[in-house]
Amino acid sequence: EMKLVQSGGGLVQPGGSLRLSCKADDFTFGHSWMSWVRQASGKGLEWVAKTNPLGSEKLYLDSVKGRFTISRDNAENSLYLDMDSLRAEDTAVYYCASEFYWCLDNWGQGALVTVSS
Amino acid sequence: QSALTQTASVSGSPGQSITISCTGTSSDIGASKYVSWYQQHAGKVPKLIISEVSNRHSGLSSRFSGSKSGNTASLTISGLQTEDEADYYCSSYAGTGNYVIFGGGTRLTVL
Repeated sequence: EMKLVQSGGGLVQPGGSLRLSCKADDFTFGHSWMSWVRQASGKGLEWVAKTNPLGSEKLYLDSVKGRFTISRDNAENSLYLDMDSLRAEDTAVYYCASEFYWCLDNWGQGALVTVSS
Repeated sequence: QSALTQTASVSGSPGQSITISCTGTSSDIGASKYVSWYQQHAGKVPKLIISEVSNRHSGLSSRFSGSKSGNTASLTISGLQTEDEADYYCSSYAGTGNYVIFGGGTRLTVL
């Protein structure tokens, strides 16, 4: 199983930016679709973004389009989520996950993003 | 990007069986074998337990089973144990887009 270790997160003011990182310990990372999923406190899971193994295809939740950018560096076995123009409603724990046929089979430990003044 | 529908909560006693339902549409659950279930204990990371409607993930107890009929998927847990108390989420291929949609989650309480 692929182990995913996340870094980043923290407190940011509305309108600010933040980068989340996710590093895999497995060479299969370069062959895997990867997703970001978030969970607001006390709420359910919400898919945010995904990218194909080459990083050439990127899909986003409508509410984050134009503000969030998913990217990856397969040489570093790393996935990123750059978040700009952050809003209070983006406050959540963000998880990276590997995806196999729309099934999220390996999850990172999560990173808390708090958007508040 | 609409969510799937799950009952908010369900409860059962140790040893009993419970079923959690997840309702979608003919475009997502009804059209796809790619329905998954996740278990999330309080304060923990979600964990995949069922993929492709009924495939138990590695090492999962046979007490857990998944099925689908029409636009509704179901997770059944038999012989309830206290450690089964958790939130359970269904997910499916979205149908109209190449992404995953989740249910709102069901909180299982083992009394």
